[in-house]
Amino acid sequence: RKEVEQDPGPFNVPEGATVAFNCTYSNSASQSFFWYRQDCRKEPKLLMSVYSSGNEDGRFTAQLNRASQYISLLIRDSKLSDSATYLCVVRVGTASKLTFGTGTRLQVTL
Amino acid sequence: ETGVTQSPTHLIKTRGQQVTLRCSSQSGHNTVSWYQQALGQGPQFIFQYYREEENGRGNFPPRFSGLQFPNYSSELNVNALELDDSALYLCASSSPSSLYNEQFFGPGTRLTVL
Repeated sequence: RKEVEQDPGPFNVPEGATVAFNCTYSNSASQSFFWYRQDCRKEPKLLMSVYSSGNEDGRFTAQLNRASQYISLLIRDSKLSDSATYLCVVRVGTASKLTFGTGTRLQVTL
Repeated sequence: ETGVTQSPTHLIKTRGQQVTLRCSSQSGHNTVSWYQQALGQGPQFIFQYYREEENGRGNFPPRFSGLQFPNYSSELNVNALELDDSALYLCASSSPSSLYNEQFFGPGTRLTVL
């Protein structure tokens, strides 16, 4: 079983739609959670850290469910510029490494 | 922009050669992590350097080695290159004193091994 699993997509949605991505992680000792965004052939960019109580940043909402070991990202009012691959990332305890999922590709269309 | 820089941006090598990639961390960050990202995959952790010492290593062979300098910049060295080493190599800088110890990535070096 992969340490971090994501639906690879692609998710094709029209502009203005709401889209949700889920991610599951296997190690119950995971302590820190993040969503990164990666554009084609570019580096990953930190979108949000995911707090235990859930958090919102504009059109983006992240949720954490420790009991079920999953993380979600909700994007409201999708824009063309949201088209990218969204990477779910976890850190186990205070370990140095981040463990990435393979990413979910989002394509927002007119 | 994150302020993390990497050089070179692209590199083509042949099997068996050696390569050195460089990374300058964001101002105020004393930790550098290196990742390998193959096409269609998420980044895989190679190792991390903190205060010039290796501070964690992923599942990569010893021919992957690194250094960190007093100014916190870092190098990744790969010996005896193999075709499967073709990938995007990313470095990320961070500061353990930040609440969530987020890592911020540089633009990467795209390595092609022929």
